[in-house]
Amino acid sequence: KNQVEQSPQSLIILEGKNCTLQCNYTVSPFSNLRWYKQDTGRGPVSLTIMTFSENTKSNGRYTATLDADTKQSSLHITASQLSDSASYICVVSAYSGGYNKLIFGAGTRLAVHP
Amino acid sequence: KAGVTQTPRYLIKTRGQQVTLSCSPISGHRSVSWYQQTPGQGLQFLFEYFSETQRNKGNFPGRFSGRQFSNSRSEMNVSTLELGDSALYLCASRYGNEIGDTIYFGEGSWLTVV
Repeated sequence: KNQVEQSPQSLIILEGKNCTLQCNYTVSPFSNLRWYKQDTGRGPVSLTIMTFSENTKSNGRYTATLDADTKQSSLHITASQLSDSASYICVVSAYSGGYNKLIFGAGTRLAVHP
Repeated sequence: KAGVTQTPRYLIKTRGQQVTLSCSPISGHRSVSWYQQTPGQGLQFLFEYFSETQRNKGNFPGRFSGRQFSNSRSEMNVSTLELGDSALYLCASRYGNEIGDTIYFGEGSWLTVV
């Protein structure tokens, strides 16, 4: 069964600190992996997308890594800011039936405190 | 270019009523998908339309339906509303189905059923 599991469920850090969010997946056949940021009450916004051959992708202070062998991804946030408080969603695509089917993780809720 | 537009942004309905939500994708995008997000829950996939055809459907009852028009605009309808249908309904658009397609989400429609 295709699944995406994220950890931790929630996380509190102090402003300026770094943090790492985890995503483990059992999705086959794997197509790509995306990280999204969702502010409360808003739609998710794309941070990164990685295909099988990519093992790291950066977007400003956000760096995503992908280990296709262990089926794990992480999102590292550097020098956190209050505006980083949001839910971070890992989404894995499985190529099936001629198109990419998306499997969503439940998200990690990050709170950055001053 | 304009993003994904969802209307209405907020609405309140009574149990037993029906509701129609609208989504205008980014110009040129042919795929529109719908998701339900309840407080504290991850995104639950409802259905996806591509060039006016439903090509994937989630595990929701038949009260949830949708359609896509020739201009790619999409509507979703929920009949016989229940209290548990209260949620944020998100629409997402993408150009097609290429690996690496960026998926853009709208801001969502907040539905409250009383």
